[in-house]
Amino acid sequence: EVQLVESGGGLVQPGGSLRLSCAASGFTFSSYAMHWVRQAPGKGLEYVSAISSNGGSTYYANSVKGRFTISRDNSKNTLYLQMGSLRAEDMAVYYCARGRPPYYYGSETYYYYMDVWGKGTTVTVSS
Amino acid sequence: DIQMTQSPSSLSASVGDRVTITCRASQGISNSLAWYQQKPGKAPKLLLYAASRLESGVPSRFSGSGSGTDYTLTISSLQPEDFATYYCQQYYSTHLTFGGGTKVEIK
Repeated sequence: EVQLVESGGGLVQPGGSLRLSCAASGFTFSSYAMHWVRQAPGKGLEYVSAISSNGGSTYYANSVKGRFTISRDNSKNTLYLQMGSLRAEDMAVYYCARGRPPYYYGSETYYYYMDVWGKGTTVTVSS
Repeated sequence: DIQMTQSPSSLSASVGDRVTITCRASQGISNSLAWYQQKPGKAPKLLLYAASRLESGVPSRFSGSGSGTDYTLTISSLQPEDFATYYCQQYYSTHLTFGGGTKVEIK
């Protein structure tokens, strides 16, 4: 069974850091791009970050650029999101999701839709 | 960034109704559009991609159409398990964006 399981969420103070993990199973992890998408309480979906299958290309939404770092360990079938300088507006359920490998055109990387999602992990930012 | 505008933001419908949700992009996206269904407290689920291609295992009562900037998701005969929030997502640009969602409620 294809499965993604997030962990690492919790309560953190404003300005603090947190590392989320996403354990993948049931598919060849190293063949897929991976994504993080978040959803603030009562709000819609917000795209956060993506990483190519070999980790060579990454993407960040402007709202997290410079504060969050996406990475992956294909030997451990695990995706990570290192979050720093956390703000109240970062409070959300964070989902990891699988995607097709991106395609490259010139210097740009184009990611696709997400076909498998984890159940999410909750990040609360509060003093 | 490409802005995705869904309408309506919510609707009420009865079991058996035909339901149509619209997603408009701020520029042409060449059918690079996916639709997701999300139930309360659950993760989103992919329904369609490339505007009209049904994801494996998704019931055929779901369909998608459109071109250029305007796209629609249609549920031909609403079932009890279809009451949920639906999101569109464009993947035409390097900056992926979601629509604001359409909540389908029971009338």
